[in-house]
Amino acid sequence: KQEVTQIPAALSVPEGENLVLNCSFTDSAIYNLQWFRQDPGKGLTSLLLIQSSQREQTSGRLNASLDKSSGRSTLYIAASQPGDSATYLCASRAGANNLFFGTGTRLTVIP
Amino acid sequence: EAGVAQSPRYKIIEKRQSVAFWCNPISGHATLYWYQQILGQGPKLLIQFQNNGVVDDSQLPKDRFSAERLKGVDSTLKIQPAKLEDSAVYLCASGTSGGYQETQYFGPGTRLLVL
Repeated sequence: KQEVTQIPAALSVPEGENLVLNCSFTDSAIYNLQWFRQDPGKGLTSLLLIQSSQREQTSGRLNASLDKSSGRSTLYIAASQPGDSATYLCASRAGANNLFFGTGTRLTVIP
Repeated sequence: EAGVAQSPRYKIIEKRQSVAFWCNPISGHATLYWYQQILGQGPKLLIQFQNNGVVDDSQLPKDRFSAERLKGVDSTLKIQPAKLEDSAVYLCASGTSGGYQETQYFGPGTRLLVL
């Protein structure tokens, strides 16, 4: 069974800093990996999806990378803003139907 | 475009009581998912529907949980009887195809507290 781990569980940074969130998964036979954002009391919003054949995806200040062989993905956030404060979840799709989620990293960006 | 709607947003019940959650997916989305998210954990898939058929319910505790998607649109998830460990946020998501490249769109969730 796929196990997904996210480190750190929580992170606080001052506004303007660049930061990296980490995600690791045990089964490298994945179709893709997604990064989601979850705000308190709200559902999940998909940020980036990296196919297994890709190494990275970019959207604005966000860049996600994927290294299947080592079972790792990172989410890089450039020039962080207070509005980036949220919980970030990664999820691997190891089968056609099922997303396996990590436990998330709670990010706080301090003004 | 309207998003995934869920109700109620919050529910408090006592153990052994029954509870039901409702989800209205994005119009035209064929797939519908129910996830359980326990505090401090990531969401865990409970059941996936493709139109009104069940694709995957391998992680649904069938002795107490049931779900249906009549007419392939709205869905309800029921817990009967509830246990303390069922306290969680129940998330509904929908997607267009169910394939491995699908993006899932999530509703705001229903927060359940079992006392």
